[in-house]
Amino acid sequence: AQKVTQAQTEISVVEKEDVTLDCVYETRDTTYYLFWYKQPPSGELVFLIRRNSFDEQNEISGRYSWNFQKSTSSFNFTITASQVVDSAVYFCALRESGSGNTGKLIFGQGTTLQVKP
Amino acid sequence: EPEVTQTPSHQVTQMGQEVILRCVPISNHLYFYWYRQILGQKVEFLVSFYNNEISEKSEIFDDQFSVERPDGSNFTLKIRSTKLEDSAMYFCASSWDRGSPYEQYFGPGTRLTVT
Repeated sequence: AQKVTQAQTEISVVEKEDVTLDCVYETRDTTYYLFWYKQPPSGELVFLIRRNSFDEQNEISGRYSWNFQKSTSSFNFTITASQVVDSAVYFCALRESGSGNTGKLIFGQGTTLQVKP
Repeated sequence: EPEVTQTPSHQVTQMGQEVILRCVPISNHLYFYWYRQILGQKVEFLVSFYNNEISEKSEIFDDQFSVERPDGSNFTLKIRSTKLEDSAMYFCASSWDRGSPYEQYFGPGTRLTVT
């Protein structure tokens, strides 16, 4: 069965601190995709990144970086030098790609990040 | 840039009433989804739709729910007789393909409040 766990419910940091959001997933598929979405207070879901199960290279995009480790089934997200505008709920999600899958996303519980000035 | 749109942005209805939430997916997309997010909770899959039929539905998607693509552009979610616990944000999403690297694009959501 597929599952995504974000153990950190809430994190509070002071601006300019680095922060890492954890994500652990479970799947039986050998091919799958992992995602991070940001949900600001306005409520929409903003796509941040997608990784496929064959690509374990870490990725950096500006202040954001992602660490994908298949051995520990983790896909962690780090924000460097956090800013107040980073305050949001962050969701990790899994999509399996085996036959019979309809492409649905399985979301974690979300981590609420509060960045204080 | 193409986007998924949803109307209305906020709907208030009384318990027992029927509601229809509307979505216009991206025009060349083939797979359509509805998700629900109860306030403060995670986003949950409701249903996926392809080739004019439901391809998968979750346990949440009971007989009170139905989906339709009536005219080739709109994608609707109907709740027949709303309950208080249906109060949530409902997100529509669409994608070109169900797998591979194809992205699921989310609409801005409809906040449904059942009183």
